[in-house]
Amino acid sequence: RKEVEQDPGPFNVPEGATVAFNCTYSNSASQSFFWYRQDCRKEPKLLMSVYSSGNEDGRFTAQLNRASQYISLLIRDSKLSDSATYLCVVNGVGTYKYIFGTGTRLKVLA
Amino acid sequence: GAGVSQSPSNKVTEKGKDVELRCDPISGHTALYWYRQSLGQGLEFLIYFQGNSAPDKSGLPSDRFSAERTGGSVSTLTIQRTQQEDSAVYLCASSFNANTGELFFGEGSRLTVL
Repeated sequence: RKEVEQDPGPFNVPEGATVAFNCTYSNSASQSFFWYRQDCRKEPKLLMSVYSSGNEDGRFTAQLNRASQYISLLIRDSKLSDSATYLCVVNGVGTYKYIFGTGTRLKVLA
Repeated sequence: GAGVSQSPSNKVTEKGKDVELRCDPISGHTALYWYRQSLGQGLEFLIYFQGNSAPDKSGLPSDRFSAERTGGSVSTLTIQRTQQEDSAVYLCASSFNANTGELFFGEGSRLTVL
C-alpha cells in the first residue's frame, strides 16, 4: 500500500460547483498534513496546512479524520483559476520527510 | 532572486554519463529537500537536509545517487552512470524550518537520458 493515496481524477466540474477530494495515508502516527497545488509544468506550492480541528481559508476547507486516516479538501464556488493538480502531503513518522501523493487533477469548466 | 534557484534547467545526457544538479535555496532556510517527478507522476522523495543534522537519504533509489549540502546552503545532487529511467524533473525545495511543512520549490531541472 502506498503511504499516501489519492484519486488521480480528473475531476471536471462547472464554474461555481463545489468539489471535494480525499486522500488516505497509511501510517497512523503521521502528525503533519498539507495540501499543495501544482499548475501544469510548474512547481508545487503550499495551498494550506490541515489542522486536527479542520480549517478554512476562503473558499477552501481542509479536514482531517485520524480514525479513518484520511484528509479532505473542499473547494466551494469553483473558479476557472482553480484548475490544477492538488497534492496531498503527509510527514513520515518521526521525521520531516514529506511524502506527496500523486495528486488529483481538477479542471473547472466555463 | 529571492526564490529557490536550480541549474541547469534542462540537461540532456547519454546513458552512462554522470550528471550534477545544483540547488541554491532561499537564504536563511535551514531545510533543503530533493524530489523527482516523472511525467504524469507524483513527487518522489529523495533526500532532505536539516541544519547540521545527518541527512535523511532514505529515498535515494540506488547508490548511483548522492547529494551533498555545503556550508548549509547550496546543494548538489549527483547521478552517476545515468540510466534512461533516471529521466525526470528533479525538484529542489527549501524551508525556513522543516517542521513548518512549507516547502518552497525551485522550477526544477529536467533531465533526459538518451
